[in-house]
Amino acid sequence: EDQVTQSPEALRLQEGESSSLNCSYTVSGLRGLFWYRQDPGKGPEFLFTLYSAGEEKEKERLKATLTKKESFLHITAPKPEDSATYLCAVQAGANNLFFGTGTRLTVIP
Amino acid sequence: SQTIHQWPATLVQPVGSPLSLECTVEGTSNPNLYWYRQAAGRGLQLLFYSVGIGQISSEVPQNLSASRPQDRQFILSSKKLLLSDSGFYLCARTDRGTSRNTIYFGEGSWLTVV
Repeated sequence: EDQVTQSPEALRLQEGESSSLNCSYTVSGLRGLFWYRQDPGKGPEFLFTLYSAGEEKEKERLKATLTKKESFLHITAPKPEDSATYLCAVQAGANNLFFGTGTRLTVIP
Repeated sequence: SQTIHQWPATLVQPVGSPLSLECTVEGTSNPNLYWYRQAAGRGLQLLFYSVGIGQISSEVPQNLSASRPQDRQFILSSKKLLLSDSGFYLCARTDRGTSRNTIYFGEGSWLTVV
């Protein structure tokens, strides 16, 4: 059965304290792994897509990496405005993403 | 532009009342459109998707239905709401002609059934 598990559920960081979020997955025929950022009461905002093991993508303080079984979202020197829930999703079939339940990140000034 | 409009943004409905949530998209032709639901503490769940006008696929059996009367319009409906229908409903799209099918989301509609 296709599954996506994100850890930790919640993470509190001091401003400038780097860390990583984990997304582990089991899916037959991965077509893509997606990271989204979601602010409270808002729709998810697309961040990255990764397609194959070894691929990396960067955007400002965020860097996403992919292996055959998991993906990491590395946050370097985070700022309070990075506080949000980060969602991971995998695409197996043509018309669906399987989402994890997210990691709620809080960055304290 | 990847604009997706959803309305209403928030609504409170009594049990047994009907529902209509509307989604329209801009800046693309013949997109794939999706309705997701996000319940507290759970991942996003795909409810319906549509690859064209009048073409609806249902992923989860329930008392909700979807329709696509126009290329850029997607409607989520119910004849009689249940308490369990409460949640955050998200319309999403993928665009034809782009590679790898990234799904973009609207701002969502909060539904509380009382």
